[in-house]
Amino acid sequence: SQQGEEDPQALSIQEGENATMNCSYKTSINNLQWYRQNSGRGLVHLILIRSNEREKHSGRLRVTLDTSKKSSSLLITASRAADTASYFCATDARGGGNKLTFGTGTQLKVEL
Amino acid sequence: EADIYQTPRYLVIGTGKKITLECSQTMGHDKMYWYQQDPGMELHLIHYSYGVNSTEKGDLSSESTVSRIRTEHFPLTLESARPSHTSQYLCASSDWDRATDTQYFGPGTRLTVL
Repeated sequence: SQQGEEDPQALSIQEGENATMNCSYKTSINNLQWYRQNSGRGLVHLILIRSNEREKHSGRLRVTLDTSKKSSSLLITASRAADTASYFCATDARGGGNKLTFGTGTQLKVEL
Repeated sequence: EADIYQTPRYLVIGTGKKITLECSQTMGHDKMYWYQQDPGMELHLIHYSYGVNSTEKGDLSSESTVSRIRTEHFPLTLESARPSHTSQYLCASSDWDRATDTQYFGPGTRLTVL
């Protein structure tokens, strides 16, 4: 089964609203990363949070990590239509040889 | 924008044909990866390499093969394409020397086998 599962599977919001996506995983990790994918394109790295960190910010992005619950959340504040994309969490499992395991993704649609 | 390239971007081909998907990166990264992704679904790692002459199978079984003769080049080959191979194939690379494995992705090749 997948290391990372995300919810919701799809999210539709109005421009200016905040979007929150959640990721759960199963094993101990070195770090957790969030990626963005525009339709039919490759993934772009957004932000990385290490296992000893609890919260991290980058521009309009805020990521939290709760290793006791094996979960993470990505918050996009003041969303824009250009934020419309799929968002994936990826875990670098401890002892996993630095390979990433990707979650199932959340499709975000931001409407004008 | 990452310096990692994939060709072709789109490929429609008949059953039984041999195909090679190209991936190259100019960042000098030691580690390279191939993922398979069906539309709207998660990525599955099918092959990876930690450097020249190093190749490993990923988590998802695949009939494809890879080679790593040069650092910058990581082609994927299907000897005999089948409709079940229809998917998007994404190539990625990362820097071995960094403590964190941030991966840089190419734009992908969308393969359709008729």
